[in-house]
Amino acid sequence: QQQVRQSSQSLTVWEGETAILNCSYENSAFDYFPWYQQFPGEGPALLIAIRSVSDKKEDGRFTIFFNKREKNLSLHIKDSQPGDSATYFCAASDSNYQLIWGSGTKLIIKP
Amino acid sequence: NTKITQSPRYLILGRANKSLECEQHLGHNAMYWYKQSAEKPPELMFLYNLKQLIRNETVPSRFIPECPDSSKLLLHISAVDPEDSAVYFCASSPGAPNTGQLYFGEGSKLTVL
Repeated sequence: QQQVRQSSQSLTVWEGETAILNCSYENSAFDYFPWYQQFPGEGPALLIAIRSVSDKKEDGRFTIFFNKREKNLSLHIKDSQPGDSATYFCAASDSNYQLIWGSGTKLIIKP
Repeated sequence: NTKITQSPRYLILGRANKSLECEQHLGHNAMYWYKQSAEKPPELMFLYNLKQLIRNETVPSRFIPECPDSSKLLLHISAVDPEDSAVYFCASSPGAPNTGQLYFGEGSKLTVL
């Protein structure tokens, strides 16, 4: 049973476009949703996160839109750049020491 | 990320014993070992909080963690198996149960011959 699902294994967009990465979850107890960015040969890095009491979180070019009723969220990367090419993991945590990871979306930005 | 250092970075083993080391300079209370296989998300192996082991996932008994102090984490591996080939990441967070804000090291890539 996949508790956190990322619908796209890979996504390709042109430089300057907005990349949209989707994620859904099953467990209503999840209350914190981080997105991690991972470049080849490196460890994942926390990019941006949102709590379930909010519906939007923005940090520069990165925005999370969160829909608690539908149990889904999306990461929008505005004005995407080749340096944004990486694998993005959606994750979800509750208060029980659990962090559940999605399978990841490999994002390719074409110049 | 030089705030979490791991050694060695690369490891090639036959059926030998080896230890991975991790040190964090962030003042965090929780430390983790994760295993990441190619094209997969990280999988939690062990979680320590304030030097106490609080999560111990289903991991072969040949992997033994050790937390000598709150800034250091070791992973002892004995008689490795080819399925153990992966990158092993150390991570830390300000504290558990807030396990979502992880800071990862650069990883130790284990190749089993």
